[in-house]
Amino acid sequence: DQQVKQNSPSLSVQEGRISILNCDYTNSMFDYFLWYKKYPAEGPTFLISISSIKDKNEDGRFTVFLNKSAKHLSLHIVPSQPGDSAVYFCAALNNAGNMLTFGGGTRLMVKP
Amino acid sequence: DAEITQSPRHKITETGRQVTLACHQTWNHNNMFWYRQDLGHGLRLIHYSYGVHDTNKGEVSDGYSVSRSNTEDLPLTLESAASSQTSVYFCASRAGGNGEQFFGPGTRLTVL
Repeated sequence: DQQVKQNSPSLSVQEGRISILNCDYTNSMFDYFLWYKKYPAEGPTFLISISSIKDKNEDGRFTVFLNKSAKHLSLHIVPSQPGDSAVYFCAALNNAGNMLTFGGGTRLMVKP
Repeated sequence: DAEITQSPRHKITETGRQVTLACHQTWNHNNMFWYRQDLGHGLRLIHYSYGVHDTNKGEVSDGYSVSRSNTEDLPLTLESAASSQTSVYFCASRAGGNGEQFFGPGTRLTVL
């Protein structure tokens, strides 16, 4: 059973608008969450993270929100740019701090 | 610049053959990981290592083995390749602490 789920396999957004990517988890022992971005034929690259003691972390156009009670996090990209088109993976770190569990990914397409 | 490399980038093999995928990192990271990426499953952990001579099984370790004889390398071996092992394989490394892993460019393996 997947402990980290990204229920939307794809998302299409117009350039300049907001992109919202969602992620749900089931294991309450996860205490650190990360988003990775992946372009075709490349490895994933780290984008942004959030600790479970926070509910928001912002880095430029990217903001991650965490709702612990709902076991839900989301990544907001504002404004979206065509170069943001990629697959985005949500990942959760166990409380031992040694293993990441990844969601299935969401393919974001930003149309000019 | 420090980096993580994988070789080969593409490999086609036959069922039953032994295959070894190489991973080399120059960050001097203690922690190294192997994942496979399949559509709808995201990245799933195969094996990981916290240091020289240390290896551990991940979520999908059956049919795979690793060895860690030095800090820089963690080769992944498929003892007897099966068609179910057709996938894209990513190696990653991490210094320690929270989460962020640096990924290699991936190896696309096809087992016929």
